[in-house]
Amino acid sequence: GAVVSQHPSWVICKSGTSVKIECRSLDFQATTMFWYRQFPKQSLMLMATSNEGSKATYEQGVEKDKFLINHASLTLSTLTVTSAHPEDSSFYICSARLSGGAEGYTFGSGTRLTVV
Amino acid sequence: GNSVTQMEGPVTLSEEAFLTINCTYTATGYPSLFWYVQYPGEGLQLLLKATKADDKGSNKGFEATYRKETTSFHLEKGSVQVSDSAVYFCALSDYGASKIIFGSGTRLSIRP
Repeated sequence: GAVVSQHPSWVICKSGTSVKIECRSLDFQATTMFWYRQFPKQSLMLMATSNEGSKATYEQGVEKDKFLINHASLTLSTLTVTSAHPEDSSFYICSARLSGGAEGYTFGSGTRLTVV
Repeated sequence: GNSVTQMEGPVTLSEEAFLTINCTYTATGYPSLFWYVQYPGEGLQLLLKATKADDKGSNKGFEATYRKETTSFHLEKGSVQVSDSAVYFCALSDYGASKIIFGSGTRLSIRP
């Protein structure tokens, strides 16, 4: 089936540094990818929708200058957390929509970011 | 707007017990409905889905029926196992909105 590979699975970084998270669709082309953030014991919060070759669409309240999303090809989308702070520590998950939407969505395995 | 309301957790059951996790939705049009499962430290996996009224999704002993009259999509399993311990998310996808909306998640713990 359709697989999205996300890495790294975990990362620890110092405050003020930037971290890049990658998501690759392995056996299909993902025109649209979604980036979520999940706080402990909470649901997934949609941060942004990225479309190949165009600017990402951010949800209300998400800082686009802090969470840079690039979707340069049909198989790769990246999320860069810039100038990370401890409050950015979270679980980040990417997702790609399968054909037509009715087939559902496939998710990456997630990245646990810890900013110290 | 579209929304999903899910049974609050955590839910703790003994092995072989019957499981129900309630889920209701609000949506315009005819959404597709999903249950996703998240094991500790992992991303989400699609458990089952239903794309139209009266459809029943099933997988690994879990079932859920798309009930348009009650706007519900309750998850059931006749006999749970310890390995079913995870967080379960009910979700809907409105193709017109091009996004998936999740419920708050229900943490399930199964005692041996």
